[in-house]
Amino acid sequence: EPEVTQTPSHQVTQMGQEVILRCVPISNHLYFYWYRQILGQKVEFLVSFYNNEISEKSEIFDDQFSVERPDGSNFTLKIRSTKLEDSAMYFCASSRGFIDTGELFFGEGSRLTVL
Amino acid sequence: ELKVEQNPLFLSMQEGKNYTIYCNYSTTSDRLYWYRQDPGKSLESLFVLLSNGAVKQEGRLMASLDTKARLSTLHITAAVHDLSATYFCAVAPHITQGGSEKLVFGKGMKLTVNP
Repeated sequence: EPEVTQTPSHQVTQMGQEVILRCVPISNHLYFYWYRQILGQKVEFLVSFYNNEISEKSEIFDDQFSVERPDGSNFTLKIRSTKLEDSAMYFCASSRGFIDTGELFFGEGSRLTVL
Repeated sequence: ELKVEQNPLFLSMQEGKNYTIYCNYSTTSDRLYWYRQDPGKSLESLFVLLSNGAVKQEGRLMASLDTKARLSTLHITAAVHDLSATYFCAVAPHITQGGSEKLVFGKGMKLTVNP
């Protein structure tokens, strides 16, 4: 069964360092997302990406964040200068959009720890 | 802005018992999703509810959607320990309101089923 894959599963970094989280969405999906979940809290939307551009972003997704689809398969989230409060689990998701069920399929997550 | 509220947020119940949990949302939508999350794991899709009156059942779980009341319920029948997890509902903003294809999540309900 197709699945969303994410790397790395866990990354530890120093405050102020740049981090890139990588995702391979399901191949016939059209919409790609990043969500994050601070430990024990709810799942928060960061950004959605469609047709090679950002379609929506949340207030959390400030200038320190960027997304890219550098080739036909990978979808990346870059945090330019990490802060302590960026420590969270970051989930990539993909969907076929509302032309289908709109259901999001999530990867296993990348746990980011900022020291 | 779409808000999604779940209650209760924590539930401890005995095996064999029944219980219903609730998901309310603030603006018009006819798409609602239930996800399950085990500790430290990803979000697993449980149910996709796409119209008013939709009812889906899988094993000991049954989900329903009332779009007029902006309410979804997740009913647990004869709970077993394996159902222990956090359950999230997520709602898609109504498309005609210019919402993107993202989902907005509730805070999640942590269920513990005691033997």
